[in-house]
Amino acid sequence: ILNVEQSPQSLHVQEGDSTNFTCSFPSSNFYALHWYRWETAKSPEALFVMTLNGDEKKKGRISATLNTKEGYSYLYIKGSQPEDSATYLCAFNDYKLSFGAGTTVTVRA
Amino acid sequence: EAQVTQNPRYLITVTGKKLTVTCSQNMNHEYMSWYRQDPGLGLRQIYYSMNVEVTDKGDVPEGYKVSRKEKRNFPLILESPSPNQTSLYFCASSFPYNPGEQYFGPGTRLTVT
Repeated sequence: ILNVEQSPQSLHVQEGDSTNFTCSFPSSNFYALHWYRWETAKSPEALFVMTLNGDEKKKGRISATLNTKEGYSYLYIKGSQPEDSATYLCAFNDYKLSFGAGTTVTVRA
Repeated sequence: EAQVTQNPRYLITVTGKKLTVTCSQNMNHEYMSWYRQDPGLGLRQIYYSMNVEVTDKGDVPEGYKVSRKEKRNFPLILESPSPNQTSLYFCASSFPYNPGEQYFGPGTRLTVT
């Protein structure tokens, strides 16, 4: 079982503040790195699939970067809003998908 | 509407009683997969299938079986459920054969007593 780690496990953010958190994964046999957003009582939804070292992806106020050589990816939320409250999952793709345990973000109004 | 459907959504059963959770997608995806979600452990892949008649074990396949006889369907079979299989199960699919962004079903909450 591949070791995919996310930190921190949870964080609380004031509305309007920006935040970021980390996904660490094995740097060998890399194919792709996925990010998902998972709201309570719903199913996970895809945010990004990143394949190239140095990749940067953006969707609205959420963006992600990728460093495959050192085995980490950052997810950034700019100007957090209450609707950004969710658990953010990363997954290492080597044809199987190995998920991290997630970072739960709570945005306080 | 493009979607992944799972049935049943909720199931309470007893130890040893065989059950099947169905999964169907209407997006013509090649890749399909089953996950279980347990508190503090995140999503763990049970089995995946890269195409019809091609299945492979994920990280936690013990106690489960799958089949992929048609492209759209990927049922999960528990031959003899045990209490440690109590969990929230998700089916997902993606295009193409290697896992692109996963489209998840609504989840099946299984309780084995």
